[in-house]
Amino acid sequence: ETGVTQTPRHLVMGMTNKKSLKCEQHLGHNAMYWYKQSAKKPLELMFVYNFKEQTENNSVPSRFSPECPNSSHLFLHLHTLQPEDSALYLCASSQGFGDSGNTIYFGEGSWLTVV
Amino acid sequence: QKEVEQDPGPLSVPEGAIVSLNCTYSNSAFQYFMWYRQYSRKGPELLMYTYSSGNKEDGRFTAQVDKSSKYISLFIRDSQPSDSATYLCAMTSSNTGKLIFGQGTTLQVKP
Repeated sequence: ETGVTQTPRHLVMGMTNKKSLKCEQHLGHNAMYWYKQSAKKPLELMFVYNFKEQTENNSVPSRFSPECPNSSHLFLHLHTLQPEDSALYLCASSQGFGDSGNTIYFGEGSWLTVV
Repeated sequence: QKEVEQDPGPLSVPEGAIVSLNCTYSNSAFQYFMWYRQYSRKGPELLMYTYSSGNKEDGRFTAQVDKSSKYISLFIRDSQPSDSATYLCAMTSSNTGKLIFGQGTTLQVKP
């Protein structure tokens, strides 16, 4: 148990569907992240929220839409995805962002398959 | 050139062996270095965290940073089958706070 909970753990969706991934952290952290992990590629940072404000959008296509209603919850809304978007999507949190290399804690991930 | 280079393996060793996992990097501004362990179908978990150069030991694990060579290592002594996982190096500078990850090295420890 890392203190970062992601749901659903597995999701299969068609290219015309709309779905959402949910993340909740119980660590009292202020920064939350979405990462994408594809086979044989490094973890790719997608979005960063610090104190509910988006501070980073790593040129992510608009078919991925993040939402951060408060410091404990983070969503990733998905629509009209492509098969190449199939991957493990990891949520993470840290006490702060920047400065002293804050330790990032990851959730278990949501396995997404786009058919 | 990638900012962080890590041999993906797989690396296969017999139980009890000493394992050496390595990463090289190109950005001299990196100051914080981490190793994450990721079991199959799980999220990464932080294993070791070091600041600047030097060694840090935690049980069977030793993390080593050589900033002059832009090279970091993770040593696992008396490796166990339960150490079989993918090991990700990650690093950041104090300016951006963005963690840059290596590709990960898959380790298999055979009984």
